[in-house]
Amino acid sequence: NAGVTQTPKFQVLKTGQSMTLQCAQDMNHNSMYWYRQDPGMGLRLIYYSASEGTTDKGEVPNGYNVSRLNKREFSLRLESAAPSQTSVYFCASSENRQNTEAFFGQGTRLTVV
Amino acid sequence: KNEVEQSPQNLTAQEGEFITINCSYSVGISALHWLQQHPGGGIVSLFMLSSGKKKHGRLIATINIQEKHSSLHITASHPRDSAVYICAVTKSTDKLIFGTGTRLQVFP
Repeated sequence: NAGVTQTPKFQVLKTGQSMTLQCAQDMNHNSMYWYRQDPGMGLRLIYYSASEGTTDKGEVPNGYNVSRLNKREFSLRLESAAPSQTSVYFCASSENRQNTEAFFGQGTRLTVV
Repeated sequence: KNEVEQSPQNLTAQEGEFITINCSYSVGISALHWLQQHPGGGIVSLFMLSSGKKKHGRLIATINIQEKHSSLHITASHPRDSAVYICAVTKSTDKLIFGTGTRLQVFP
């Protein structure tokens, strides 16, 4: 049982390049999330998806787009990367949004130069 | 002021010591979570609680809803407990708010 699988683990981009972070969960969870983690700050929600076919903005959505391809997969796209998007990105899933345990991927360390 | 505050920010201990990490929050919550993040970066959920106390092995989590405070205790600490411990709360709006974490180092 893999849980939440996130790829890639590391990525270096040049300013203006685009990339997609992939996330898949095998727990049949309804809700999926993308967070970013920056030094000295708690994890901040970029986008979330409460169920297949729905997505909503979180706290810091600017510069990102998401796609809930099916119940398993939730991808995060950077259309034109900026140095301010240098961060560690985590995908997570939970059965639903109310009071259920969240499961996290291993994280993607992204550097934009 | 952050809605979720953790203390201390950094903590060092000798193997075998009893450790306490504190979390205070200022918003209405429906649940509180304790998470562990190891140096490799992965995040694991340790506890989710909305009242009272939970225990798992050497880890104990308590919450006082009236005082808006939770503690994570580690008994008989071990170097493998070295990690960042993160407190998070589920607001009544279902939004999850994270603290900035407590970095724990346990030395042999």
